[in-house]
Amino acid sequence: GESVGLHLPTLSVQEGDNSIINCAYSNSASDYFIWYKQESGKGPQFIIDIRSNMDKRQGQRVTVLLNKTVKHLSLQIAATQPGDSAVYFCAENMNRDDKIIFGKGTRLHILP
Amino acid sequence: NAGVMQNPRHLVRRRGQEARLRCSPMKGHSHVYWYRQLPEEGLKFMVYLQKENIIDESGMPKERFSAEFPKEGPSILRIQQVVRGDSAAYFCASSPLPNYGYTFGSGTRLTVV
Repeated sequence: GESVGLHLPTLSVQEGDNSIINCAYSNSASDYFIWYKQESGKGPQFIIDIRSNMDKRQGQRVTVLLNKTVKHLSLQIAATQPGDSAVYFCAENMNRDDKIIFGKGTRLHILP
Repeated sequence: NAGVMQNPRHLVRRRGQEARLRCSPMKGHSHVYWYRQLPEEGLKFMVYLQKENIIDESGMPKERFSAEFPKEGPSILRIQQVVRGDSAAYFCASSPLPNYGYTFGSGTRLTVV
């Protein structure tokens, strides 16, 4: 079965606040993790990734945190904007010989 | 660079008909992956192909589904004798390296009536 899942199916955040989207994974052999954003009617769009030899990686307004001890991944979006409304998926693979597996997704709602 | 191109965007088929979904990978990408997405769910892996070869088809249903990626032309996901349960969005991704750096297309939404 799937080894990647998400804690919350829906998250509502006030515009301008920070968003934190969480993800749990069960396969301790996973060594590569990716966050995707999917807007309505579109395909998943790469946001940021992280390898298991890191615990934090920052991009533009986004930060991914990896806690291997508890097998937890989070995506932080700073100063959330209306354009951030989407479904966010975490995904993983164990190594380059294996396909990327997706979790179920969290829908992010931005409140005005 | 036009990105990953999928067509058609929407496809309606009656039960028992065949559905053909096409995916043209990004220029320079020789690895193609097909995923299926049901409403309000995540993407489920179906098949991974490299030019003229099926690398991993562990997510493909045993019957009615097939995929190919010929030397020339797009990758094709073929569903024979479609049933209502095949209704879903089918996404294709391509990458320059195996299982890394996926770029997704906009998907084909299949509706079986």
